[in-house]
Amino acid sequence: NAGVTQTPKFQVLKTGQSMTLQCAQDMNHNSMYWYRQDPGMGLRLIYYSASEGTTDKGEVPNGYNVSRLNKREFSLRLESAAPSQTSVYFCASSEMGLELNEQFFGPGTRLTVL
Amino acid sequence: AQSVTQLDSQVPVFEEAPVELRCNYSSSVSVYLFWYVQYPNQGLQLLLKYLSGSTLVESINGFEAEFNKSQTSFHLRKPSVHISDTAEYFCAVSPQGGGGNKLTFGTGTQLKVEL
Repeated sequence: NAGVTQTPKFQVLKTGQSMTLQCAQDMNHNSMYWYRQDPGMGLRLIYYSASEGTTDKGEVPNGYNVSRLNKREFSLRLESAAPSQTSVYFCASSEMGLELNEQFFGPGTRLTVL
Repeated sequence: AQSVTQLDSQVPVFEEAPVELRCNYSSSVSVYLFWYVQYPNQGLQLLLKYLSGSTLVESINGFEAEFNKSQTSFHLRKPSVHISDTAEYFCAVSPQGGGGNKLTFGTGTQLKVEL
């Protein structure tokens, strides 16, 4: 099992460019999440997908869109990148259920917007 | 809504000394509690969790945390740290009863173990 994989690992964009961050999990989890991590601010939820076919906004959704392509894949798109979106982005997945709330994280994508 | 406070952004400690990383939370509903660890240039890994039952939970590498409902705290402790424990530690909560399994994280505590 690869767990949660993310591509790319690093990316540099110019202001206004667009890009899609890819995430895939092979644990057959129903729920998937996108977070951003900034120094001194911990991890903040951008969007999540509780199950295939559904997506919902998290704490900081502005400037982002997501697609739950199928049960395995959950992508994050920046339509017009801004320097404020420079961050490390983590994808995570978890099983649904009242007791199993553990989230499994990918290795992250380090994005710099110039 | 939930919030998590980790007051210590950095904790330096000598090897083999004890350490406590503090975590307090606020929530209008009952919560599950977690500690995640992040080693340099890696994603987060679950260290331990409190779901129900005994308020003292332990990890396989010697960390423990105690849920204190009256003080709304979930402090992380280790009696003797090792160099390899150097990492950033995040406390997190998730509301019980569904809610999409969403986690609310604290801002993290950087534990630096020195010789």
